[in-house]
Amino acid sequence: QLQLQESGPGLVKPSETLSLTCTVSGGSISSSSYYWGWIRQPPGKGLEWIGNIYYSGSTYYNPSLKSRVTVSVDTSKNQFSLKLSSVTAADTAVYYCARQAKYSSGWYDFDYWGQGTLVTVSS
Amino acid sequence: NFMLTQPHSVSESPGKTEIISCTRSSGSIASNYVQWYQQRPGSSPTTVIYEDNQRPSGVPDRFSGSIDSSSNSASLTISGLKTEDEADYYCQSYDSSNHHVVFGGGTKLTVL
Repeated sequence: QLQLQESGPGLVKPSETLSLTCTVSGGSISSSSYYWGWIRQPPGKGLEWIGNIYYSGSTYYNPSLKSRVTVSVDTSKNQFSLKLSSVTAADTAVYYCARQAKYSSGWYDFDYWGQGTLVTVSS
Repeated sequence: NFMLTQPHSVSESPGKTEIISCTRSSGSIASNYVQWYQQRPGSSPTTVIYEDNQRPSGVPDRFSGSIDSSSNSASLTISGLKTEDEADYYCQSYDSSNHHVVFGGGTKLTVL
């Protein structure tokens, strides 16, 4: 059974960089059939896609966050990571990592999700 | 980029049928698959419909999905409502012009 687990600091100071890692177990991150994504959800609000990465390192980002986001992959550790710079209180959210299947002309649903981790931006 | 617009909240009685809409702002709703997620409080989202109208194994057939090109929208229909269906529901699609994921704003379903 595939499992994804987010890890990282739960508290980040304003203007600093938020860093999270997603560890994938029960399957290979190097599969050619999937992208790996980050999604966040501010308290009481909806889901917001942050970005996706392919095992080869190809990345796609939400244009509203693109200038501050970096997603990377480490296939040797079966992990992918998120860095979000210059954070403010508006970046306080539950951050999820998830797997998204791809087909010839697009992407399907996010079929496996981590449990999510709350990151609070506060001094 | 296009947007997906959902009603903020809906409510219906147990045993009844509820239809949640998801309207695409530009481009054809049929040009990329629509997915639907259910999210209960404190839990991660789970897929209830993928590829417009496909149900993952384990999802009851009370859940169904469709798209309507005339209204440029997708719909999630939940029949025979149960109190356990009370949750937030999100539609999601893919923008093939720039390889972006788009989520709807979410709909809170109350079953009372």
